[in-house]
Amino acid sequence: QVTLKESGPVWVKPTETLTLTCTVSGFSLNNARMGVSWVRQAPGKALEWLAHILSNDEKSYSESLKSRLTISKDTSKGQVVLTMTNMDPVDTGTYFCARLSGLMFGEFPRFDPWGQGTLVTVSS
Amino acid sequence: DIQMTQSPSSLSASVGDRVTITCRSSQSITRYLNWYQQKPGQAPKLLIYAASTLQSGVPSRFSGSGSGTDFTLTISNLQPEDFAVYFCQQSDSTPLTFGGGTKVDIK
Repeated sequence: QVTLKESGPVWVKPTETLTLTCTVSGFSLNNARMGVSWVRQAPGKALEWLAHILSNDEKSYSESLKSRLTISKDTSKGQVVLTMTNMDPVDTGTYFCARLSGLMFGEFPRFDPWGQGTLVTVSS
Repeated sequence: DIQMTQSPSSLSASVGDRVTITCRSSQSITRYLNWYQQKPGQAPKLLIYAASTLQSGVPSRFSGSGSGTDFTLTISNLQPEDFAVYFCQQSDSTPLTFGGGTKVDIK
C-alpha cells in the first residue's frame, strides 16, 4: 500500500522559514516512473502546485515561488523535504505531498495518491 | 503557464442526476488532463487521468472525455457520496496547473 504523510510545524511567524517533510512508504524514491510533488491549498481556494522532485534528483519549481522554495530527498529514509523561506500570512493553507506517477515515455503524469495534508498558519 | 478554466464554479443537483463539468485549457494539452475529487477536510483523490482513463477503484459512473483544449467530466446517476469539489489539472508541462474547482452540492 502506497502512503504519504506530511509533517512539520502547524504555525510559523512571518519572515520565518517553513520546513515540511513528506514520508513515503510502499514505493521507492528511486523508482524512475515516479516522483513526489508538493501542492498547497489556501482555505477555500484552489490547488496550487509548488514543486516536484524526480528519481534522478531533477527538480522543478513554481516560477512565482522559485526564489523561496527548495525541495530535496533522502532516498534511504523515504523522505522528501520542502523548505519555503520568508513566510507570509498569504502562505497560510494546507500543504499536501503527492506521488507523481506516470512519468515514463508514453505515460500520463498524475498525482496519486496524496498525503492527508498539513495545515500551516502564518501569523505573528 | 497553461491556464485551466472550469465551469461552472458550483452546481446543485439531486441524487440520480447526470452532472457535467467542463474544463478548458489555454493551449492544447492533447490528453494530459486529470480529474480529482475532494471532500471537505480530505486530500484530493484521482478519478480520471489521460482525459478519459478511469483510475482503478473509481466507480464507472464517472467518465471523462475531450482532447486538445476542451474536456468534460460526467457523473451519471449522482450518488450521495459524490457531493464534493472537483478539480481538473493539466500535466502537459510545468508548472502543473489546476482549474479553480467545481463544487457539486445537494439541490
